[in-house]
Amino acid sequence: NAGVMQNPRHLVRRRGQEARLRCSPMKGHSHVYWYRQLPEEGLKFMVYLQKENIIDESGMPKERFSAEFPKEGPSILRIQQVVRGDSAAYFCASSPNPPSGGSTDTQYFGPGTRLTVL
Amino acid sequence: GNSVTQMEGPVTLSEEAFLTINCTYTATGYPSLFWYVQYPGEGLQLLLKATKADDKGSNKGFEATYRKETTSFHLEKGSVQVSDSAVYFCALSPPRGTALIFGKGTTLSVSS
Repeated sequence: NAGVMQNPRHLVRRRGQEARLRCSPMKGHSHVYWYRQLPEEGLKFMVYLQKENIIDESGMPKERFSAEFPKEGPSILRIQQVVRGDSAAYFCASSPNPPSGGSTDTQYFGPGTRLTVL
Repeated sequence: GNSVTQMEGPVTLSEEAFLTINCTYTATGYPSLFWYVQYPGEGLQLLLKATKADDKGSNKGFEATYRKETTSFHLEKGSVQVSDSAVYFCALSPPRGTALIFGKGTTLSVSS
């Protein structure tokens, strides 16, 4: 049973380029979450998606960042016109059920994509 | 608001020593509580969880008890191994919330 898959594992971009990060949730999971981990920091929530819907994007920067989770295929986190401050590890997580504060809240994490902006 | 505070690291121990990593939280209502572990170069793995007061989560020799009266969820292990060297994150899932709220992480280094 494959876990959460993310690719690429490492991504290098120059300032001004676009970065596309992909996430395939665990089989049977239809809830996807993106988090960002800056150096020496914990993970910060960015966005929560269900298939074809953005449910909560309260942690997403207002500009240059977007996310989607199409009916078919992986979830994509897109960063346009990257800047050095975007350098971080981006983690995707998935869950079988929507968040509720109960015992079904376990989120399963992928290995992350480490983005470096030169 | 919701927040998690962990003791700052790094924590450096010898093999077979006793480990405690403190974690306290602030939350409205009754959150679920988690410990995740991140080995070098890898993603986060769920270590253990507890969903209500006085619950004890345990896995791989690690334990943590959900203490509502002290709003704490301290991680303990009786005898650490070199292979336990990693970064440990305490997290909460708030009621009716979406995201996990993470602490900053505590780096554990165990030497033989």
